[in-house]
Formats: sequence, C-alpha cells, structure tokens
Amino acid sequence: AQSVTQLGSHVSVSEGALVLLRCNYSSSVPPYLFWYVQYPNQGLQLLLKYTTGATLVKGINGFEAEFKKSETSFHLTKPSAHMSDAAEYFCAVSPAQGGSEKLVFGKGTKLTVNP
Amino acid sequence: DGGITQSPKYLFRKEGQNVTLSCEQNLNHDAMYWYRQDPGQGLRLIYYSQIVNDFQKGDIAEGYSVSREKKESFPLTVTSAQKNPTAFYLCASRGQLLNYGYTFGSGTRLTVV
Repeated sequence: AQSVTQLGSHVSVSEGALVLLRCNYSSSVPPYLFWYVQYPNQGLQLLLKYTTGATLVKGINGFEAEFKKSETSFHLTKPSAHMSDAAEYFCAVSPAQGGSEKLVFGKGTKLTVNP
Repeated sequence: DGGITQSPKYLFRKEGQNVTLSCEQNLNHDAMYWYRQDPGQGLRLIYYSQIVNDFQKGDIAEGYSVSREKKESFPLTVTSAQKNPTAFYLCASRGQLLNYGYTFGSGTRLTVV
C-alpha cells in the first residue's frame, strides 16, 4: 500500500526566502510522484512530476523537487518566495506499474508568504 | 482547449434535498474521480470510474451516488442521506498513462442552508 506524509500542515515564509515543503512517501514499487498547487476556491493544478530519468525535476513558477529514493522523499523547493506563491500544496504518489491506478494524496501544506 | 468543466461553481441546498453536481471532460480520458475537500482534511475520494457504465466506491461513498453513462460525463448526486454535505467538491480525470497524473476541474462549493 502506498502512503504520503507531508510534514507541516502550515508553513510560513517571508517574501524572498527559501520555500521548502516536505513530502515523504511509502511505496512497495517504483513510484510516480507529483506536486499539485491549489489556490483558494480553485481546482488542483499540476506543478511538477517525477516519473523516470533525472531525479531533480523543474516545474512551473520556479519550483523544483528532488526524488531521493534512499530517503523516500520528494521535497518541493523554491529559492525565493513570491506573494503569489501563497496557496495549498499537495504531494501525491502513484505506482509506476501494476497495483491501484489511483493517486494517493498527502493532506496538504498551506503556504503563507509574509511581506 | 481540452479540460474538465464542473458546474455550478456555487450550489446551495436545503436540508432534505438531493442535488447533482456536474462534471464534463473533453480530454478523452477513461478514468474519472470525485473528491470531497474539507479544511485541514485534504482530499477524500468519494467515487471513481475507470470505464463507462462501471464505477467503484471510494473512502466516503455513503450519502452519495454517481453514474457513468457517457465517457465524457460523471455526475455526482449528494443525497439527503449525506448528513454533512457542506464542502468543496472536486472532479478529476486521468488518461491511460499513469505518468500524466490527474487533471482537475475548478470545483463546486456546496452549502446547506
């Protein structure tokens, strides 16, 4: 069975500071990993994903994430936070093959950016 | 442009009434999903469908019903049996390849008045 843990339901940073949102997963088979962003009263938008190949993945809006198999982690980072980054972020995992085809989502991390 | 359309954006329901939330996609995706979102609880799966005329219960199916008569459409009915229906409802779809993840609609906010 797969699971996703997002450490910290709320993260607050200052504008211009580093953003680090943590995601650890559990999967018995090689996973596909995703980060989604949700702005208030909107749906989820794909930020970036890891499927195969390079473990450092770049996404939209300057975000990136690194797949670390040994640490079962897929943390999301951005060097310099903007006010527009304030949103809720969800990490998700799916098996790369076989098993359930459903994504398993973490509970989300709400990012606040202070001026 | 291809995407998922949820309607209405806001919906008000009186206690004891059934209401139906619409979800339509033009992405030619086989699989479709309904999630409920409450503050601090993440996304909870209500129902999902992998193919026309077939669907499965998710984690919180009680008080909800769905149909999948067309590939493009996956409506969700919130019945009077759902004791606490006020929430944000999200519809999603997925193509055949797992590595594309899900595409989400913009959501419907349901409020019981």
